[in-house]
Amino acid sequence: QVQLVQSGAEVKKPGASVKVSCKASGYTFTSYDINWVRQATGQGLEWMGWMNPNSGNTGYAQKFQGRVTMTRNTSISTAYMELSSLRSEDTAVYYCARGAYKGDYWGQGTLVTVSS
Amino acid sequence: EIVLTQSPGTLSLSPGERATLSCRASQSVSSSYLAWYQQKPGQAPRLLIYGASSRATGIPDRFSGSGSGTDFTLTISRLEPEDFAVYYCQLSWTFGQGTKVEIK
Repeated sequence: QVQLVQSGAEVKKPGASVKVSCKASGYTFTSYDINWVRQATGQGLEWMGWMNPNSGNTGYAQKFQGRVTMTRNTSISTAYMELSSLRSEDTAVYYCARGAYKGDYWGQGTLVTVSS
Repeated sequence: EIVLTQSPGTLSLSPGERATLSCRASQSVSSSYLAWYQQKPGQAPRLLIYGASSRATGIPDRFSGSGSGTDFTLTISRLEPEDFAVYYCQLSWTFGQGTKVEIK
């Protein structure tokens, strides 16, 4: 069965970077885009960007341009999202989701807490 | 940039009642890219509807989607206890702000 399993919770200081992983199984990793979405506590869903695991091509939401980097390691079917220059407002649950125009499978979420 | 506006913000209903959720786009869009998700506390979103009206795998037929152009609707024909949750519409990874369906 298709699964996306994300790395564990992180606590970071302001100004630091965080790298979240998303390991895919149950399907051909390079056949589907991976998108990243975050959700602050009690808030809605915010799209951050996408990556094509086959080509490595990426596209980022304007809000995160210059601060986010999405990469992959096809040998281990894993996608990564790195967010730099963290600030308190980046405290949120970060999700990976499979699909180009819809997220048919989602990771379980990774809580990233930014606190001094 | 297309903006999706969902209404109402909160819907208070009883089990067995019909729920009608609205999603309005700021300009006409292709229904091929309109999706609906359900999210329960502490869980990831779950895809319910894609292409405006196609049910995702394993989704009960009490969930249905309709609409075109700028106006889209998610209908839950008879609310089950497990249906009380927040619902989001999405267009190519732009999300509406969500509608909470709560128990009356």
